[in-house]
Amino acid sequence: GENVEQHPSTLSVQEGDSAVIKCTYSDSASNYFPWYKQELGKRPQLIIDIRSNVGEKKDQRIAVTLNKTAKHFSLHITETQPEDSAVYFCAASGNRGRRALTFGSGTRLQVQP
Amino acid sequence: GAVVSQHPSWVICKSGTSVKIECRSLDFQATTMFWYRQFPKQSLMLMATSNEGSKATYEQGVEKDKFLINHASLTLSTLTVTSAHPEDSSFYICSANAGAQNYGYTFGSGTRLTVV
Repeated sequence: GENVEQHPSTLSVQEGDSAVIKCTYSDSASNYFPWYKQELGKRPQLIIDIRSNVGEKKDQRIAVTLNKTAKHFSLHITETQPEDSAVYFCAASGNRGRRALTFGSGTRLQVQP
Repeated sequence: GAVVSQHPSWVICKSGTSVKIECRSLDFQATTMFWYRQFPKQSLMLMATSNEGSKATYEQGVEKDKFLINHASLTLSTLTVTSAHPEDSSFYICSANAGAQNYGYTFGSGTRLTVV
């Protein structure tokens, strides 16, 4: 089955700096890679996703890059704000959504004001 | 957008009792429902995949006789934790794919189970 590894487990940045979280996956059949933000006790919130036919996607301060050959994808948050502090999970899936998401281990991001 | 309603949001039960968690897709038909468990400060781990009208597929290490999954209709899937023990205390969350062709995973709001 799919295995997703995520680094770092914790990340502390100063407000206004950039944050980068990296994930690798093992199953070459995976073709959908979402990123989620999760607040304590809440459901994961999709913040951005990318499909394997695209190398990069950007939405305001958030961007995701995908290297399908190397089987890794990254989340980039620019101009971080204190409200960006949360736990972020990467995930991978395939088969047009008929397969469950496999999640990375999570990154706790702390943005220091 | 697609909504999955999950109930209860939290439950406290005594050790040895059973607890049922419901997930309903409100505005789409969920032929497949995924059930996850999340322990504190850990990731979401897939427990099982349920398909409407058929038996659920359980992940390795998940006891199918302890975690009963029923998916009798296209809009309702239930997870019953039988003979719950304190080690079953966790955050349980369901997810369905609402996308007609591709991807659109929607999550329930989660159930915090505490077994005392």
